[in-house]
Amino acid sequence: DTEVTQTPKHLVMGMTNKKSLKCEQHMGHRAMYWYKQKAKKPPELMFVYSYEKLSINESVPSRFSPECPNSSLLNLHLHALQPEDSALYLCASSQVVVTGYRGYTFGSGTRLTVV
Amino acid sequence: AQKVTQAQTEISVVEKEDVTLDCVYETRDTTYYLFWYKQPPSGELVFLIRRNSFDEQNEISGRYSWNFQKSTSSFNFTITASQVVDSAVYFCATLKGGSNYKLTFGKGTLLTVNP
Repeated sequence: DTEVTQTPKHLVMGMTNKKSLKCEQHMGHRAMYWYKQKAKKPPELMFVYSYEKLSINESVPSRFSPECPNSSLLNLHLHALQPEDSALYLCASSQVVVTGYRGYTFGSGTRLTVV
Repeated sequence: AQKVTQAQTEISVVEKEDVTLDCVYETRDTTYYLFWYKQPPSGELVFLIRRNSFDEQNEISGRYSWNFQKSTSSFNFTITASQVVDSAVYFCATLKGGSNYKLTFGKGTLLTVNP
């Protein structure tokens, strides 16, 4: 069982829709991440939250809006997306300082299709 | 800046063959961490191993083994007696010591194990 849970697993949305991706972890990790992965490419970092505050935004378009309501939850709000935003969106968590052996724990991802 | 090169884009083997996935990294940091992740078609990034820059000891875990050589900046991964379930994309990644947020991934190697 994965320790980072992402919902939904699959999402199809129109370009005018508003939707949200959700991520939850209960490992006590205080750093949480959103990655975007296109087909046959490595994951690309989008956002990092540290102690529930946005720490890194990798120049992501404003149609993606992250939110970290508490230490266990991470959301990604989507609005007015484009078809090229279709991808696998991965959530991850870690200790703020990566001292644990595993470093990062990834969720199973949400496969997003924008039509 | 760190860089990870996985020169093998795709590898195809027959079950029970041994296979080695290559990983070459570039870094100017004296402290860094190296990772291997497995990504099956389901999408989740599965942690396989983490190595610290100051620990060159090779590791074996069942059919998996890793060869870390700082002299050649390589961290190769060998699967012995491959199985169909080993079919996946494998990513090598590096993390700068003291910087806990940004994993640098290689482009990945798609391994297909045929029965």
